[in-house]
Amino acid sequence: GESVGLHLPTLSVQEGDNSIINCAYSNSASDYFIWYKQESGKGPQFIIDIRSNMDKRQGQRVTVLLNKTVKHLSLQIAATQPGDSAVYFCADVNTGNQFYFGTGTSLTVIP
Amino acid sequence: EAGVAQSPRYKIIEKRQSVAFWCNPISGHATLYWYQQILGQGPKLLIQFQNNGVVDDSQLPKDRFSAERLKGVDSTLKIQPAKLEDSAVYLCASSRNSGGSTGELFFGEGSRLTVL
Repeated sequence: GESVGLHLPTLSVQEGDNSIINCAYSNSASDYFIWYKQESGKGPQFIIDIRSNMDKRQGQRVTVLLNKTVKHLSLQIAATQPGDSAVYFCADVNTGNQFYFGTGTSLTVIP
Repeated sequence: EAGVAQSPRYKIIEKRQSVAFWCNPISGHATLYWYQQILGQGPKLLIQFQNNGVVDDSQLPKDRFSAERLKGVDSTLKIQPAKLEDSAVYLCASSRNSGGSTGELFFGEGSRLTVL
């Protein structure tokens, strides 16, 4: 099976600072990656995705960086807000459309 | 567009009892997934359907878990008999894609199972 892991289980940041959440994947053939946000008691919600032919993709306040050389993915959140507090998962998608999730990083924003 | 619907939201049973979860995906979504999420962990894929056919059920404990999607729309996931380690949130997700393309996965809010 796939192996997707995150470097840190918890992250605390001050409101207004930038957050960086990291993820490592093991399958060099992976060509599609997605970041999800999961708030307490809810299902994961799509944030941003990136394909392997890109190394950076930007959304509203979020940026995903992909380094295929070291099989590393990161999610950057600019000007972190209290509403960003949640667990963040990266998912690695194989050619069969199976989505494999890492353990998750719990982000806490300190007002 | 209505989201993925799941029921029940919460269920408490004793070990060795049975339980069933229901999922109604987003209209028109060909692919449906069931995930198990144990507290503090990421979602783990149990089974993937493409229309009414099973694409991948390699991680489904088939001695006690079963799932079906008879008409290619709604799906049910059943556990019989339940074990303590089955306590988890069962997430249903769907995606529009078919035929091997990838796309966004939409999740329901999950069904939280507690086995006593």
